[in-house]
Amino acid sequence: QSALTQPPSASGSPGQSVTISCTGTSSDGADYNYVSWYQQHPGKAPKLMIYEVTKRPSGVPDRFSGSQSGNTASLTVSGLQAEDEADYYCSSKAGSNNWVFGGGTKVTVL
Amino acid sequence: QVQLVQSAAEVKEPGASVKVSCKASGYTFTGNYIHWVRQAPGQGLEWMGWVDGNRGGTKYAQRFQGRITMARDTSISTAYIELSRLTSDDTAVYFCARTSWPGQFDYWGQGTLVTVSS
Repeated sequence: QSALTQPPSASGSPGQSVTISCTGTSSDGADYNYVSWYQQHPGKAPKLMIYEVTKRPSGVPDRFSGSQSGNTASLTVSGLQAEDEADYYCSSKAGSNNWVFGGGTKVTVL
Repeated sequence: QVQLVQSAAEVKEPGASVKVSCKASGYTFTGNYIHWVRQAPGQGLEWMGWVDGNRGGTKYAQRFQGRITMARDTSISTAYIELSRLTSDDTAVYFCARTSWPGQFDYWGQGTLVTVSS
């Protein structure tokens, strides 16, 4: 199954907002009700930031929010901070008990 | 607190096999699945498969079928992945991750670097 599609890069100045999209196809079997998002800093393991499209795990700042429209899920980071500079990946359970990741988006804080 | 601690880095020759372990603590091991995800240098995350911590059932990504084995030992709360017929394309950091319903990876291991080189 093919990866979910993300833009390779996104950027914003401190205090601004940035939104990352994650798009699948109707045939990839992904369950878009269960999209999750991960933040990964260089040399570190990914960290869960959003699950079930809009839910935040305990400890994740409310500057991070998720949404969905059709086959496209989105992650928005509001009030950008220097520490938000990282790679972000979306993921979803796909058909036949498989999972799939997006290609990743590098967020740069200008 | 939930922790997943992986085994140390490995260097293997092409054609060899590698086995990486993931020891879980801080939760009931049989209550969750353990997935394996890898990341080649400078690349994105690639899902490889899962093992059911309770019943031991497995599911592998199609591209690894025939050369991948996942298993678990409930007596020591440890999951394993073994990949055979290694090539340089298998050089990557291998992560284990726990999933909670309905499918998010909520805890991750620290990663194990596997280098395939002659």
